[in-house]
Amino acid sequence: AQKITQTQPGMFVQEKEAVTLDCTYDTSDPSYGLFWYKQPSSGEMIFLIYQGSYDQQNATEGRYSLNFQKARKSANLVISASQLGDSAMYFCAMREGRSTGNQFYFGTGTSLTVIP
Amino acid sequence: GAVVSQHPSWVICKSGTSVKIECRSLDFQATTMFWYRQFPKQSLMLMATSNEGSKATYEQGVEKDKFLINHASLTLSTLTVTSAHPEDSSFYICSARDMAGTAYEQYFGPGTRLTVT
Repeated sequence: AQKITQTQPGMFVQEKEAVTLDCTYDTSDPSYGLFWYKQPSSGEMIFLIYQGSYDQQNATEGRYSLNFQKARKSANLVISASQLGDSAMYFCAMREGRSTGNQFYFGTGTSLTVIP
Repeated sequence: GAVVSQHPSWVICKSGTSVKIECRSLDFQATTMFWYRQFPKQSLMLMATSNEGSKATYEQGVEKDKFLINHASLTLSTLTVTSAHPEDSSFYICSARDMAGTAYEQYFGPGTRLTVT
């Protein structure tokens, strides 16, 4: 089974509108972390937001928020007030366990295009 | 924030030659670094986990004799693609964990685009 599933290969959003990028995950480990990264055309992976499995509140970082629904195993990224510079690939990722050496599992990504 | 560099940022080589890619953590120490490969419009696929002072752990299906990884110091890991072929053309990205950072911090390098002709 896929560890991380992103079902939206491409998304469009009007500038200044909010958009939600979906991500579901699969793990039996009670301790895990969920991440979202942005990858512009330059290729660099830019860290956006992190949610720990034991965190009680949804993570927020500026215009980014993570809608964490543990029972549904979903960790959707919400981008508010979209900007043209938000156009990029977005990857959801998960790390299992508490060990700092554990690998990341990445989803297949969602290509977001912000329309002026 | 912490910075990870990769060198070179892009390289073109002839089939049959070897290419070395460096991954450096510039302002922190990293006992563990990860090497990923990304084909166009696809996700990052973990190739191997590089541990300082020990042998790398390769993912299933990754040829360890073809993709040589050396993690000789706490700030440097290298990936050598030996006897490269056109199918090895890809975007290679490394990431590093900050030993002194929080449990979740992992920093990615800018990537190296390899083209084998």
